[in-house]
Amino acid sequence: EPEVTQTPSHQVTQMGQEVILRCVPISNHLYFYWYRQILGQKVEFLVSFYNNEISEKSEIFDDQFSVERPDGSNFTLKIRSTKLEDSAMYFCASKPGFNQPQHFGDGTRLSIL
Amino acid sequence: GESVGLHLPTLSVQEGDNSIINCAYSNSASDYFIWYKQESGKGPQFIIDIRSNMDKRQGQRVTVLLNKTVKHLSLQIAATQPGDSAVYFCAETLNDYKLSFGAGTTVTVRA
Repeated sequence: EPEVTQTPSHQVTQMGQEVILRCVPISNHLYFYWYRQILGQKVEFLVSFYNNEISEKSEIFDDQFSVERPDGSNFTLKIRSTKLEDSAMYFCASKPGFNQPQHFGDGTRLSIL
Repeated sequence: GESVGLHLPTLSVQEGDNSIINCAYSNSASDYFIWYKQESGKGPQFIIDIRSNMDKRQGQRVTVLLNKTVKHLSLQIAATQPGDSAVYFCAETLNDYKLSFGAGTTVTVRA
């Protein structure tokens, strides 16, 4: 069964450094998302992306964050200058169409030192 | 504001028994609901979904019930197995661009 894949599984970065989290959504999916989950807490929406542009973003997704779909298969989340509070699991999700369930990857654990 | 929440943070169930996991949502305008299962170290895994024009939907060993009158969603798991041990989240869509997740219920299956 096709799945969303995320790399790396764990990223350790110094505070203030830039980090890029990578995702390969399921191939025929059209909608893409990033969520994060701080340890022990619920999953929080960051941003949605459709038709090569951001559809919606949360208040967490400030100017330090950006997303890109550089080619037909990858979907990336960049954090420009990381902060300690950016430490979390970051999940990528995708879905094929409107009102269809989103399918999640297994996440990237981001640790900011 | 909109929020999705679960009534109980933990649930312990005997193997072979049925499990019922509850969720309350606050936005009466939500029209699509999804249950996810999250195992340790993994991402949320889709279990079952339901649209607001339905009140019940069945899958393999799982049933989702939606009561729009009291804004309540439940997930029933029949004949619970050890592999069902996980955190279960309900999620709602407000405009189909994002999911709003509840806090989760940790289900532990006793042998």
